[in-house]
Amino acid sequence: GAGVSQSPSNKVTEKGKDVELRCDPISGHTALYWYRQSLGQGLEFLIYFQGNSAPDKSGLPSDRFSAERTGGSVSTLTIQRTQQEDSAVYLCASSSTTGVWETQYFGPGTRLLVL
Amino acid sequence: DAKTTQPNSMESNEEEPVHLPCNHSTISGTDYIHWYRQLPSQGPEYVIHGLTSNVNNRMASLAIAEDRKSSTLILHRATLRDAAVYYCILRDAGNMLTFGGGTRLMVKP
Repeated sequence: GAGVSQSPSNKVTEKGKDVELRCDPISGHTALYWYRQSLGQGLEFLIYFQGNSAPDKSGLPSDRFSAERTGGSVSTLTIQRTQQEDSAVYLCASSSTTGVWETQYFGPGTRLLVL
Repeated sequence: DAKTTQPNSMESNEEEPVHLPCNHSTISGTDYIHWYRQLPSQGPEYVIHGLTSNVNNRMASLAIAEDRKSSTLILHRATLRDAAVYYCILRDAGNMLTFGGGTRLMVKP
């Protein structure tokens, strides 16, 4: 079946501009996660959605970052007034359940470059 | 999540077994041990997970020490496509995955 998809695959923007990154999770998956992977660094958690519950925003690095999930499916990560340190690969993952045994399925990522 | 320690890199020959170690001396009784891998220019993918007993699936085997303070991911016959960064992750509660530095596996033909 179809996996997690993300768009665009690459995005180049100028410092100060806003960007929107999109994630389409696997159909039926109730949990959706956003992670970021900066060059030479590991993956860091950004935000988590589970069903209709309030999202866990504990990983968002600043108030320039926000995300929404409409209709319990597609999610959009928005970065306002982008900075060069926002350059990274943004990864989305989804899972059908939540718990310490659940498997997260990752998309290919969006590579963001802020000039 | 508790901390894990993995070697930065390992090298293997193609078609030979590979044993990737992970130390987790502060593991709690309810922590699950998960392994993910990330191939070049791709998102991470699930490999295997376990709690106490050894586990096998089509991709790999997971050997868990009796005291659970360490585990080993076993690739039975490494292929060039197995070259990736392998992450050992402990999960107790919470929902996000906490990735460490992982082990970069290089496979030589």
